Amino acid sequence: DAGVIQSPRHEVTEMGQEVTLRCKPISGHDYLFWYRQTMMRGLELLIYFNNNVPIDDSGMPEDRFSAKMPNASFSTLKIQPSEPRDSAVYFCASSVIPPPADTQYFGPGTRLTVL
Amino acid sequence: GENVEQHPSTLSVQEGDSAVIKCTYSDSASNYFPWYKQELGKGPQLIIDIRSNVGEKKDQRIAVTLNKTAKHFSLHITETQPEDSAVYFCAASKRGSQGNLIFGKGTKLSVKP
Repeated sequence: DAGVIQSPRHEVTEMGQEVTLRCKPISGHDYLFWYRQTMMRGLELLIYFNNNVPIDDSGMPEDRFSAKMPNASFSTLKIQPSEPRDSAVYFCASSVIPPPADTQYFGPGTRLTVL
Repeated sequence: GENVEQHPSTLSVQEGDSAVIKCTYSDSASNYFPWYKQELGKGPQLIIDIRSNVGEKKDQRIAVTLNKTAKHFSLHITETQPEDSAVYFCAASKRGSQGNLIFGKGTKLSVKP
């Protein structure tokens, strides 16, 4: 398997612009997670889906962030409008049921820079 | 909620020496403790995990120990090699709560040849 695929790998945008990050989970995985990584806060869970349904979005920082999973093989994380403090590396991860159900497989990440 | 503390934040060892990274957690209900390795420019990758019914687990040069009473767990790497240089993260969760994987802040390990 190719693993979790994320695009783009790097994104540079200006404050106020809309940013869309994309993720393709490992085929057959029922769970998909979006994380944000910064030096100050480390790895933070933003939202996760089970069978394409959002289960917990309590980590989404504010209404500017939204995530969708229209089908089992694709998810997006959108920031609108973007702000400089959104600069971070965003990871997508997926995991499978049954056990080892807790093993999460991470993608390579998208490095976002908001100027 | 769960809080995971990880120490040290940076660790430098000579090739061949051992490295130990320690984590403590706050939620006594946590029962799953994975360790992830993150190389530069890549996403974290699971290297070993331990569940609360086990006190120690070993996989070649890597071992993890768990002390549930004290609520701490540790990663031990023996005979370190330059390719072990990376950032290591511990995490804790309750089994069955897929979204509640709480990570430590990470340890940057440097192995000097």
